[in-house]
Amino acid sequence: DAKTTQPPSMDCAEGRAANLPCNHSTISGNEYVYWYRQIHSQGPQYIIHGLKNNETNEMASLIITEDRKSSTLILPHATLRDTAVYYCIVSNRDDKIIFGKGTRLHILP
Amino acid sequence: NAGVTQTPKFRVLKTGQSMTLLCAQDMNHEYMYWYRQDPGMGLRLIHYSVGEGTTAKGEVPDGYNVSRLKKQNFLLGLESAAPSQTSVYFCASRALGQAVPQHFGDGTRLSIL
Repeated sequence: DAKTTQPPSMDCAEGRAANLPCNHSTISGNEYVYWYRQIHSQGPQYIIHGLKNNETNEMASLIITEDRKSSTLILPHATLRDTAVYYCIVSNRDDKIIFGKGTRLHILP
Repeated sequence: NAGVTQTPKFRVLKTGQSMTLLCAQDMNHEYMYWYRQDPGMGLRLIHYSVGEGTTAKGEVPDGYNVSRLKKQNFLLGLESAAPSQTSVYFCASRALGQAVPQHFGDGTRLSIL
């Protein structure tokens, strides 16, 4: 299974775009990139996923490099409520969703 | 809709006691999952179910049993609780057309003394 590498923590000013990087250099051709977040004391929240193309939904945008070895989750206008741990996961099976330690994002007022 | 509801939210057990955690979803989802999360760690899959009457082992199944007698409910049992099972337990579900769990409960915080 592919593994991901994320920075342990990041800061972002409120109102600015938060760009969270993820490296997944061993991703295989049929594995998707998934992003979740977990706000303190709550269950994980699915954010977005993609295979090759960039994706956007009401929460975020996902930019995947052409070689698929890395991706970036973009929260366009971060608010204090976006403070959470963000998990980047690559997988092609629902029983192989491996949550690592993620990136702890601090939104600064 | 309530989504995914876990019962109870908190529980303290003594070593050797048994208990059952209940997960209920009202979205008619086929797939359901049980995870545990230890301090500073990500989630680890315990067991999952791809439909009523079926269950399968995940990454850390030892010491747990599960049942899916009704489509909307997924039960996680601890037959003889051990301190190593102190954790936060999360249930999740997904629909057939979704690739991964997309709906999680708010967790059950379980302490084994």
